[in-house]
Amino acid sequence: EVQVVESGGGLVKPGGSLRLSCVSSGFIFSSYTMGWVRQAPGKGLEWVSSITSNSRYIDSADSVKGRFTISRDNAKNSLYLQMNSLRAEDTAIYYCAREERISVGLNQYTVFDVWGQGTVVTVSS
Amino acid sequence: IQMTQSPSSLSASVGDRVTITCRASQYISTYLNWYQKKPGKAPNLLIYAASSLQGGVPFRFSGSGSGTDFTLTISSLQPEDFATYYCQQSYRTPWTFGQGTKVEIK
Repeated sequence: EVQVVESGGGLVKPGGSLRLSCVSSGFIFSSYTMGWVRQAPGKGLEWVSSITSNSRYIDSADSVKGRFTISRDNAKNSLYLQMNSLRAEDTAIYYCAREERISVGLNQYTVFDVWGQGTVVTVSS
Repeated sequence: IQMTQSPSSLSASVGDRVTITCRASQYISTYLNWYQKKPGKAPNLLIYAASSLQGGVPFRFSGSGSGTDFTLTISSLQPEDFATYYCQQSYRTPWTFGQGTKVEIK
């Protein structure tokens, strides 16, 4: 079964750090770009960061640049998100998601096609 | 690129035809995806490339549009379709989502 499972969430004080992990199974992890998407309480989905299969290219939302670092270990089929200088507004469910590229005609479209159940991060004093 | 959905919520009955719209703040061709999200569950990809149905998704779901204006249509609403729906542009990063449309039982 194709799946990803997140862990590492918890309660942390403002200014603190947390490291999220995501372990994949059922597909060739090293072939895919992976990303993190979050949902704050009562809010919509927000893309956080993505990393290409060989870690060559990384992109992040402006809201987390300089504070969050995405990384991966293909030997362990694992994706990580190191979160530093956490703020109350980072409180959210964090989802690990696989980015798939689908060809339609001459174009390639990027989708998030496999998602985990999420891990909860709460930033509060 | 900002994505704006309307309405933010709607009430409908089983069997109703439901349409949700999504507007991009700039041209995105057909780089538009739709997801379904239920409380406590992971998002589920429904539509990609504006109108292509993801495998395993019921045929009552359809998508249309190009450029800046898009629609998601559920032809006959079923009990399991009550959820929140999000559009997402994949034209360029940062990937951005609409604010969501909650479909509730009338």
